[in-house]
Amino acid sequence: GDSVTQMEGPVTLSEEAFLTINCTYTATGYPSLFWYVQYPGEGLQLLLKATKADDKGSNKGFEATYRKETTSFHLEKGSVQVSDSAVYFCALRLQGAQKLVFGQGTRLTINP
Amino acid sequence: DAEITQSPRHKITETGRQVTLACHQTWNHNNMFWYRQDLGHGLRLIHYSYGVQDTNKGEVSDGYSVSRSNTEDLPLTLESAASSQTSVYFCASSETQTSYNEQFFGPGTRLTVL
Repeated sequence: GDSVTQMEGPVTLSEEAFLTINCTYTATGYPSLFWYVQYPGEGLQLLLKATKADDKGSNKGFEATYRKETTSFHLEKGSVQVSDSAVYFCALRLQGAQKLVFGQGTRLTINP
Repeated sequence: DAEITQSPRHKITETGRQVTLACHQTWNHNNMFWYRQDLGHGLRLIHYSYGVQDTNKGEVSDGYSVSRSNTEDLPLTLESAASSQTSVYFCASSETQTSYNEQFFGPGTRLTVL
């Protein structure tokens, strides 16, 4: 079935470090791909999205490129801040569908 | 401003009791969703609705029910609460579009079943 796999967490980095959180997916057809972020005590917020192959989503210094050949959508940021500490979820939505399939989430902690 | 709210934010109940979690959105969205969040499992879909009088089962629907009598509300009912239903519950809503439909999430309800 359709699924999303994220790298195991938790991830701990120092401020200004480079971040990569891996995400791969299994799906029929051509899904849309999303990264959501959950700050402590809050609900999820959309961080970025890509709707077709080779699209690059970006927001708040984060980027992810839709790679159809490797079925991946890895999240990257060049220089993380303490305020980026949160749980990050990769998700997909099948063509024509409304519901999302989420990965298990990756907890990120940034130390000053 | 439009928003999505959940109540209560925290709930402690006993095994076997019926519990209802409320979700209310003012976006006028057609689609509404209930998820549960558990460590190691991410978010799993419980039930969803694409409009008034429409409800559908998600991947973990056993022991839960929903009803949609208006656009704004999708209450989630645990018929007979079990300890395995201790979790954080999130409601979300979205508009129907063909290429991009962001889901907006509520703040969550933390439910503890003793």
